[in-house]
Amino acid sequence: GQNIDQPTEMTATEGAIVQINCTYQTSGFNGLFWYQQHAGEAPTFLSYNVLDGLEEKGRFSSFLSRSKGYSYLLLKELQMKDSASYLCAVRDSNYQLIWGAGTKLIIKP
Amino acid sequence: EPEVTQTPSHQVTQMGQEVILRCVPISNHLYFYWYRQILGQKVEFLVSFYNNEISEKSEIFDDQFSVERPDGSNFTLKIRSTKLEDSAMYFCASSGRVEAFFGQGTRLTVV
Repeated sequence: GQNIDQPTEMTATEGAIVQINCTYQTSGFNGLFWYQQHAGEAPTFLSYNVLDGLEEKGRFSSFLSRSKGYSYLLLKELQMKDSASYLCAVRDSNYQLIWGAGTKLIIKP
Repeated sequence: EPEVTQTPSHQVTQMGQEVILRCVPISNHLYFYWYRQILGQKVEFLVSFYNNEISEKSEIFDDQFSVERPDGSNFTLKIRSTKLEDSAMYFCASSGRVEAFFGQGTRLTVV
C-alpha cells in the first residue's frame, strides 16, 4: 500500500529553526509537495521537489532524497504566524496526490 | 492572482437530502479534484477529472457521489442522500503541470 509518515505534532520557539520530516512509500514518484494549512482553511502550496537536493524559498527550504524516500521541510526564523499544519504529499505514478496526515506545528514565544 | 472559488462556504443539510457543491477552477488548468477533510483528520482524495471525464476516484467516491462540468467554468460535486458521516470540509482543487491550488472549501454539516 501507499504510505506517507510525518510526525503528528512539533513545538518550536519563535525565532528558531524547525525541521519537519516526511517519509514515503508510493507506487511511483512524480514529485513531492509541501503544503501549509491553517485551521479551518485550505492547504496552500509551499514547495515542490522532483529531483534530489534542496529547494530554498525565503525562510522555507525543502529537501528530497528519492533513494531514501525521504523529505524534510525546514523553517527558519520562526514567526507566530507559522503555527499551522504542514502537509507532505507525493504524486504517484497515476499523478494522484497521496497525502500525509500532517504535522501540527506549535510556535511558542 | 487567479484563484479557485467554491460556493457555498457553509452548507447545512438534513440527512437524506442531496447537496451540490460548486467550484470554479483556475481558467487555464486542465486537472480538477475534489478532496474532503473530516475535522481533525487528514485530507482525503475523492476524485480527479480531466478532459471532461473522471480520471481517478477513491474508494470513498461511491455511487452516492457524482461530478460534473456543466459548462466551461464550473465543476460540481453532487452528494445524494447525505449521511451524518458526510459532514466535512470539501475542497476543490485545480492544477496545471505542477502544484494544485485549493479553493477555500465548503463546510458541509449534515444534521
